[in-house]
Amino acid sequence: AQKVTQAQTEISVVEKEDVTLDCVYETRDTTYYLFWYKQPPSGELVFLIRRNSFDEQNEISGRYSWNFQKSTSSFNFTITASQVVDSAVYFCALIPIYNQGGKLIFGQGTELSVKP
Amino acid sequence: DTEVTQTPKHLVMGMTNKKSLKCEQHMGHRAMYWYKQKAKKPPELMFVYSYEKLSINESVPSRFSPECPNSSLLNLHLHALQPEDSALYLCASSQAGGTGSLYEQYFGPGTRLTVT
Repeated sequence: AQKVTQAQTEISVVEKEDVTLDCVYETRDTTYYLFWYKQPPSGELVFLIRRNSFDEQNEISGRYSWNFQKSTSSFNFTITASQVVDSAVYFCALIPIYNQGGKLIFGQGTELSVKP
Repeated sequence: DTEVTQTPKHLVMGMTNKKSLKCEQHMGHRAMYWYKQKAKKPPELMFVYSYEKLSINESVPSRFSPECPNSSLLNLHLHALQPEDSALYLCASSQAGGTGSLYEQYFGPGTRLTVT
């Protein structure tokens, strides 16, 4: 089965708190790509990161960091010192190598609310 | 320039109307996508065009008719829609691949469609 699970439906934090969004995936393929997208209330999905299955190095981009662990099939996303502008729905997604034309397999999304 | 534009932003149509959604990208991408997104759900893939040819149709009803006039443009023609077709329609583009794109998709802001 090819599946992405984001168990946290909604998270609410106060500004400046750190928050981690969990993503667990299932795939039978040994080569695959993982993604995170942000969807603010305006509706547009914003691409954040793409990671291939052979690269388990963690990535940091400003206040954002990603922890990829193949052993637990997880690709978690941490926002450090959260800000109100981080409020959005965040989607984790998967494309297996034999991917039927680029079909993103999305998780159900985590709605993050950052309160001032 | 990572921009995908979509027009119109909002559309209200009756069940007997015919309308079209438009999408444009100037990133030189050769894969383009239509998604449908209902509230509180992840996007659902509808169609994929690769090198201006339809490569995936996710069993979408024929009242939705896609068209790719050239490598920069993607249209979605709508006819005899039902109220349950009301949703956010998102267009995306990406670099194309051989057996399908493994690259990140860049999304437009979407068209919010209401069928009355």
